[in-house]
Amino acid sequence: GAGVSQSPSNKVTEKGKDVELRCDPISGHTALYWYRQSLGQGLEFLIYFQGNSAPDKSGLPSDRFSAERTGGSVSTLTIQRTQQEDSAVYLCASSLAVRSNQPQHFGDGTRLSIL
Amino acid sequence: QKEVEQNSGPLSVPEGAIASLNCTYSDRGSQSFFWYRQYSGKSPELIMFIYSNGDKEDGRFTAQLNKASQYVSLLIRDSQPSDSATYLCAVNPHPMNRDDKIIFGKGTRLHILP
Repeated sequence: GAGVSQSPSNKVTEKGKDVELRCDPISGHTALYWYRQSLGQGLEFLIYFQGNSAPDKSGLPSDRFSAERTGGSVSTLTIQRTQQEDSAVYLCASSLAVRSNQPQHFGDGTRLSIL
Repeated sequence: QKEVEQNSGPLSVPEGAIASLNCTYSDRGSQSFFWYRQYSGKSPELIMFIYSNGDKEDGRFTAQLNKASQYVSLLIRDSQPSDSATYLCAVNPHPMNRDDKIIFGKGTRLHILP
């Protein structure tokens, strides 16, 4: 597609369940980023990928969070045993490459609500 | 710890006036600078980028960069109510830095008064 695609756009689930969020970057973009944004707050960096490798996982809030990317394209962010504080909008962005002067382009996000 | 600082606002500007949004950054070796606009409930949208010292104009928007002062700004001329949004400053560090991800400021909320 022309832009970054995220699915689902909305997810409501019960506390304790696992959720999987998907991101399909712009074709040809090798760098992919995950952010979290709580209501009225700034972007919280979670993890980025260059190709299939994740050099920086420093932003993952806990070991309940994991992410993978295969084939240098689609990425999934998995949250296990969800908690109410996980409720937020999860944004994915892609760029041509890390260590480039190219900007990131964002998807529309997944709004996650934990009941 | 590399940082990007913005005044959180809200910044209130009368319709038709110039809105001036400011951003400072800590990494002197930073190479590229971006401004994103984020409407409430939407994702950030790239509106300007600048790489060299000086001004860069695109329609009603002007980005200004001063690397010596580690300062980047966004001017919006003839402000419209539709410009009301949060504006995020983003800074790309030096390409040789191991910690090489873009750093976002927390954003400035702009409110254009009709």
